[in-house]
Amino acid sequence: DIQLTQSPPSLSTSVGDRVTITCRTSQSVSSFLNWYQQKPGKAPKLLIYGASSLQTGVPSRFSGSGSGTDFTLTISSLQPEDFASYYCQQSYSIPYTFGQGTKLEIK
Amino acid sequence: EVQLVESGGGLVQPGGSLRLSCAASGFSFSNFWMHWVRQVPGKGLVWVSRISGDGISTSYADSVKGRFTISRDNARNTLYLQQNSLRAEDTAVYYCARGGSDWASDYWGQGTLVTVSS
Repeated sequence: DIQLTQSPPSLSTSVGDRVTITCRTSQSVSSFLNWYQQKPGKAPKLLIYGASSLQTGVPSRFSGSGSGTDFTLTISSLQPEDFASYYCQQSYSIPYTFGQGTKLEIK
Repeated sequence: EVQLVESGGGLVQPGGSLRLSCAASGFSFSNFWMHWVRQVPGKGLVWVSRISGDGISTSYADSVKGRFTISRDNARNTLYLQQNSLRAEDTAVYYCARGGSDWASDYWGQGTLVTVSS
């Protein structure tokens, strides 16, 4: 199975900050890397697919980059509604593994 | 509007069975792969299973292989997960999700809680 390592596990941030979350995979997944946002008690929401494609309806302050084994999710200017947990997922090979998550908290 | 609504969760004893359902609407169900993903409350997401639009191709996580069966009824726009030989470690919220571009899951249901306990 492909292992995904996200960093940091948690981040204390402020509204307006630029935030970068990284995801490293144990082997190449080409560009089959997706990012999800999850708020407490809610289902995950797809933000980015194919490493850098913005899902319809997702604000442009979210962006993704990378290929191979190293990927990043960037939020250019953090908004109050962005405080949530974020997960990366590889969809290159079965099983479609997830990272352990990154929790954004208010500083 | 795409909607996915899970049902069928509940409390079951170890070794018991449950069948989860996911009712889909707002899209052409038979044209899409579908997935089940689970999450222990307070923990991370774990992919469980997937099925092709025609129901012919299926895949499973090793942790559920041989115990869980994914299926679909395209006439009823419904996805299923038959869970047998349930264990305490299967306790989780189970989400159904639609397979989208690049095999990402682009729409998710609200989840149904399965609790395995005596």
